[in-house]
Amino acid sequence: GESVGLHLPTLSVQEGDNSIINCAYSNSASDYFIWYKQESGKGPQFIIDIRSNMDKRQGQRVTVLLNKTVKHLSLQIAATQPGDSAVYFCAENINQAGTALIFGKGTTLSVSS
Amino acid sequence: GAVVSQHPSWVICKSGTSVKIECRSLDFQATTMFWYRQFPKQSLMLMATSNEGSKATYEQGVEKDKFLINHASLTLSTLTVTSAHPEDSSFYICSAKRPGTGKETQYFGPGTRLLVL
Repeated sequence: GESVGLHLPTLSVQEGDNSIINCAYSNSASDYFIWYKQESGKGPQFIIDIRSNMDKRQGQRVTVLLNKTVKHLSLQIAATQPGDSAVYFCAENINQAGTALIFGKGTTLSVSS
Repeated sequence: GAVVSQHPSWVICKSGTSVKIECRSLDFQATTMFWYRQFPKQSLMLMATSNEGSKATYEQGVEKDKFLINHASLTLSTLTVTSAHPEDSSFYICSAKRPGTGKETQYFGPGTRLLVL
């Protein structure tokens, strides 16, 4: 079964608000995590990644937080825009060459103007 | 960037026919590609790992004779759905791992929507 899951299937926010999307993973051996954004009818798009030796990583308007103690991962989107509306997946990997990613169930983010 | 393309983007076929989907890494060589399928409102499910020059590794429950994978070059992997049936209708997505980055980041194609009538 899946070892990565998400707390909420949907999240609705107003434009300009900050969004927080959560993900729980169960495989303590996982040491690399990625957030992907998937718009309707398209393939997943890389947003940000983090290794297990880090607690936080920032990108442009996005921040990923990793709490290895409770096996929790979150994606924070600042000043959410309508274009951020999509399904967001967290994915984990045990950093071995050639191994695939394991995806969580996804959170649908809806941003209203 | 790391661009992965898929062709076709969508296909409609009759039950019993075979459909081939191509996955190409456009600006890098990928020794490993992955094939996923995704049903509506669900997550991506790994079908198989495609290694250049060797046999694909299939996930449990995925029929290798049903879903033929060929990774003939460092930039091309193909998935052939043989004798397709309506239950094979799905969104098929490939990904490729870009070598030399020291990470397992995978870059995804835009997906191929298959509808079997």
